[in-house]
Amino acid sequence: LAKTTQPISMDSYEGQEVNITCSHNNIATNDYITWYQQFPSQGPRFIIQGYKTKVTNEVASLFIPADRKSSTLSLPRVSLSDTAVYYCLVVPYGGFKTIFGAGTRLFVKA
Amino acid sequence: DAGVIQSPRHEVTEMGQEVTLRCKPISGHDYLFWYRQTMMRGLELLIYFNNNVPIDDSGMPEDRFSAKMPNASFSTLKIQPSEPRDSAVYFCASSYFRLAETTDTQYFGPGTRLTVL
Repeated sequence: LAKTTQPISMDSYEGQEVNITCSHNNIATNDYITWYQQFPSQGPRFIIQGYKTKVTNEVASLFIPADRKSSTLSLPRVSLSDTAVYYCLVVPYGGFKTIFGAGTRLFVKA
Repeated sequence: DAGVIQSPRHEVTEMGQEVTLRCKPISGHDYLFWYRQTMMRGLELLIYFNNNVPIDDSGMPEDRFSAKMPNASFSTLKIQPSEPRDSAVYFCASSYFRLAETTDTQYFGPGTRLTVL
């Protein structure tokens, strides 16, 4: 399983766009990049998943460059309720053995 | 759908006692996962099942831990005997895989907060 590296913590203000970058230099051809969000006292929640280029949903966008050795989760116009830990995972197609790293603790201030 | 259901939500027990955590996955999901989360070690995958069969239990810390899935709608994680270092939040998650779709999306339950005194 490819190892991921992401910042331990980030601070932002309400209304700003937040970009969290994850490094996964050893990503394999059949690996997908998945991001989860975890609020205090809750289980992680799936946010977005992608293989290459750009993926967008109602919550976030995921940018993946051509070499796929990194990815960037973009949260538009964050609010206080986006304060959470964000995990970047690399999972093979059809694979289920997931490794959650330390994640990035995002703190949104008023 | 009610989502993944875990019980109890909180458990306080004394060292040496047996602890049983329970999980009901989302109907139709054929994968079930048990995780443990602590401040020191983060979120660790303990074991996962596919169609009620354990596939990978390499994350189970030691023989004191055991997990079963007697049917598609129920799983247990048992710790016997419990120790203070087992204190953690234990999450159950479920998922499914279909060839036409991408890789897994896991749906997590609310967790069981275990305190061993």
